Amino acid sequence: EDQVTQSPEALRLQEGESSSLNCSYTVSGLRGLFWYRQDPGKGPEFLFTLYSAGEEKEKERLKATLTKKESFLHITAPKPEDSATYLCAVQATTSGTYKYIFGTGTRLKVLA
Amino acid sequence: SQTIHQWPATLVQPVGSPLSLECTVEGTSNPNLYWYRQAAGRGLQLLFYSVGIGQISSEVPQNLSASRPQDRQFILSSKKLLLSDSGFYLCAWSRQGATEAFFGQGTRLTVV
Repeated sequence: EDQVTQSPEALRLQEGESSSLNCSYTVSGLRGLFWYRQDPGKGPEFLFTLYSAGEEKEKERLKATLTKKESFLHITAPKPEDSATYLCAVQATTSGTYKYIFGTGTRLKVLA
Repeated sequence: SQTIHQWPATLVQPVGSPLSLECTVEGTSNPNLYWYRQAAGRGLQLLFYSVGIGQISSEVPQNLSASRPQDRQFILSSKKLLLSDSGFYLCAWSRQGATEAFFGQGTRLTVV
């Protein structure tokens, strides 16, 4: 069964303290892996798409990487405004092109 | 650029009352459209998706239905709400043949 697991569930960082969020996935064939940021009471905001192992994408303090079994979202020198829930999702070739499988997210809190 | 509108933002409805949530997409044509429900501490659950006008696929049997009367309009409905229908409902769209999906701002539904 296609599955996505995110860890940790929650993370508290001091401002400037870099860290990584993990997204482990099990799919028969990966069509794409996606990272989203979700603020409380809002819809998820698209961040990155990764397609193949070894691929990396960057945006400001965020960098997403992909291996054959997991993806990491690296946060460099985070600021309080980076506090949010970060969601990972995959789209599998065997699940149809319309199905996204989401993890339960990592709640990030950055303290000033 | 493309935008997605979802309304209302919040809704409180009594048990047994009907429901209609609306979602529209601007700036694109023939999008794939999705309705998700997000429960606290759980991942996004796909409820319905549509690849074209009048074409609806249901992922989870339940008290809800969806319709797509126009190319860029997606409606989530219920004839009689249950307490268990409470949750955060999200509409999303993606381009045909593309991978990443983009979300609306969500509707917080409370059934009392």
